[in-house]
Amino acid sequence: SQTIHQWPATLVQPVGSPLSLECTVEGTSNPNLYWYRQAAGRGLQLLFYSVGIGQISSEVPQNLSASRPQDRQFILSSKKLLLSDSGFYLCAWSERLAMGQYFGPGTRLTVT
Amino acid sequence: KNQVEQSPQSLIILEGKNCTLQCNYTVSPFSNLRWYKQDTGRGPVSLTIMTFSENTKSNGRYTATLDADTKQSSLHITASQLSDSASYICVVKGGATNKLIFGTGTLLAVQP
Repeated sequence: SQTIHQWPATLVQPVGSPLSLECTVEGTSNPNLYWYRQAAGRGLQLLFYSVGIGQISSEVPQNLSASRPQDRQFILSSKKLLLSDSGFYLCAWSERLAMGQYFGPGTRLTVT
Repeated sequence: KNQVEQSPQSLIILEGKNCTLQCNYTVSPFSNLRWYKQDTGRGPVSLTIMTFSENTKSNGRYTATLDADTKQSSLHITASQLSDSASYICVVKGGATNKLIFGTGTLLAVQP
């Protein structure tokens, strides 16, 4: 069976510090991978998606970036965090683009 | 503009009672509609998925309906339990680029 992992589960970072969130998927090959952000009281916002190694599509302009160094690894990064980057970050995978997605447990990021 | 709107924003019910959550969408063309349950601080978990030709689908005490003509869906929860307390998110796949469009969710609290 497939499983998706995210870490860390929670993170508190000062403004201007770097960020690296990691997501890995097990039990499947060549998954489509997604990063979402969920701000307090808001819906899910798609940030990035990837259909393969090294292939990243950005949905919204921001100071975040994503990378996919391995088939089942997806990383969300920032060089300098902003207060507005606080939120709940969810990684998801699907067999095909825009198919039903399976979500990871999420990372709660608080930028202070 | 492709949108997904959910109502109510929040709902409080007593344990054992039934409730119905609404989802209205303007997405066209339409591919499918999913209902997710998201426990606080966790990733969403899929409850049901319905295509254009399906007008009802059940998953235990959860029953989703779809009226593709009026572009409305509902999620009915029967005999609610405390563990039903969560956010319920409606997601429609469709539009010119066939993407996933997320509603902002309904926050359900089941009280003893």
